[in-house]
Amino acid sequence: DAKTTQPPSMDCAEGRAANLPCNHSTISGNEYVYWYRQIHSQGPQYIIHGLKNNETNEMASLIITEDRKSSTLILPHATLRDTAVYYCIVRPLPGGYQKVTFGTGTKLQVIP
Amino acid sequence: NAGVTQTPKFQVLKTGQSMTLQCAQDMNHEYMSWYRQDPGMGLRLIHYSVGAGITDQGEVPNGYNVSRSTTEDFPLRLLSAAPSQTSVYFCASSYLSASGSNSPLHFGNGTRLTVT
Repeated sequence: DAKTTQPPSMDCAEGRAANLPCNHSTISGNEYVYWYRQIHSQGPQYIIHGLKNNETNEMASLIITEDRKSSTLILPHATLRDTAVYYCIVRPLPGGYQKVTFGTGTKLQVIP
Repeated sequence: NAGVTQTPKFQVLKTGQSMTLQCAQDMNHEYMSWYRQDPGMGLRLIHYSVGAGITDQGEVPNGYNVSRSTTEDFPLRLLSAAPSQTSVYFCASSYLSASGSNSPLHFGNGTRLTVT
């Protein structure tokens, strides 16, 4: 199973872009990159996912390098409500071995 | 839709007691899984299922049993609780797409278990 590596913590000033990196150097061709966040002790919440192209939705943008060994989640204008733990995971396509594991994530602190 | 429902929200057990954590989803998701979360440890996969009658072990399966008799329910059983099983338990579910990516995981709000 591909594993991911993330920095344990990051700070970001309110209103600035938050760029959260993730390394997934052992990712295989049939695996997607997913991002989730967990606020306080709630269940994790889905943010965005992608295979090899950059993706954008109303919450964030996902930039995946051409070799797919790393990605960056971008929160364009961070607010205090974005303070959370952010998890980057890889997940196989349908039919693949569905053992979905999480690492320890990045704790993002948005500072006023 | 209620989404993923976990019961109970809180539970205190004595060492050696058994109990079942309930997880139900009303989205007709094929995939369901259980995670435990300890301070500083992130989420660790206990067991998962890709459909009724099919289960498999995750990263930390010892001390836990699961079964999947229906699509909707995926209970987690602690046969003989130990203090090391004190944790927050999350259940998650998703579709397994016939093509393209699988749908994102939907998580419940967790069960906070203390074993004394």
